Amino acid sequence: DAMVIQNPRYQVTQFGKPVTLSCSQTLNHNVMYWYQQKSSQAPKLLFHYYDKDFNNEADTPDNFQSRRPNTSFCFLDIRSPGLGDAAMYLCATSRGQDAKNIQYFGAGTRLSVL
Amino acid sequence: EDQVTQSPEALRLQEGESSSLNCSYTVSGLRGLFWYRQDPGKGPEFLFTLYSAGEEKEKERLKATLTKKESFLHITAPKPEDSATYLCAVRSGTSYGKLTFGQGTILTVHP
Repeated sequence: DAMVIQNPRYQVTQFGKPVTLSCSQTLNHNVMYWYQQKSSQAPKLLFHYYDKDFNNEADTPDNFQSRRPNTSFCFLDIRSPGLGDAAMYLCATSRGQDAKNIQYFGAGTRLSVL
Repeated sequence: EDQVTQSPEALRLQEGESSSLNCSYTVSGLRGLFWYRQDPGKGPEFLFTLYSAGEEKEKERLKATLTKKESFLHITAPKPEDSATYLCAVRSGTSYGKLTFGQGTILTVHP
């Protein structure tokens, strides 16, 4: 059974049209992460939540926002997608933040920008 | 800044031909090194965590080892179903929850 679920699996949007990606988890983990993975590149952390505490990476563009309304759900909002934002977006969860806590990933949402 | 470099970028093997993948890292105080497997169009699947130099872990045909500067993923007698991208990632003392990934090694095992 999938424990980290991302919807939709594929998303097509137009240049500049806001888009929201969804992640839910059944693990009751405290931490939820969003990574961006461009073609043939390493996944790159955008931000993460520890419970309700939001932690933004210094180089994450302002165009990217996130919401976590409850423990189970986390959303990635891209306010004005550009062609360079086309990528696979990966959600991950972990019980805690120290290194003994494994990050479990969802299947990802592949975003295309036309 | 934490850095992870994986080599080779791509590796093609015949079924049964053993080999190794390399992950070199530079971090401020390693807290953990992680290996993941990623199939096309899917999210990374956890394989191993290594915490200190000299540590080794095994799972089926895979064995991961760790030194102070690099990690190896040894694949013994691979099968076609082992074909995937293998990602290495590190957690450092300053990264507070963040995994820094390498770009991966694309492994193809031919029957």
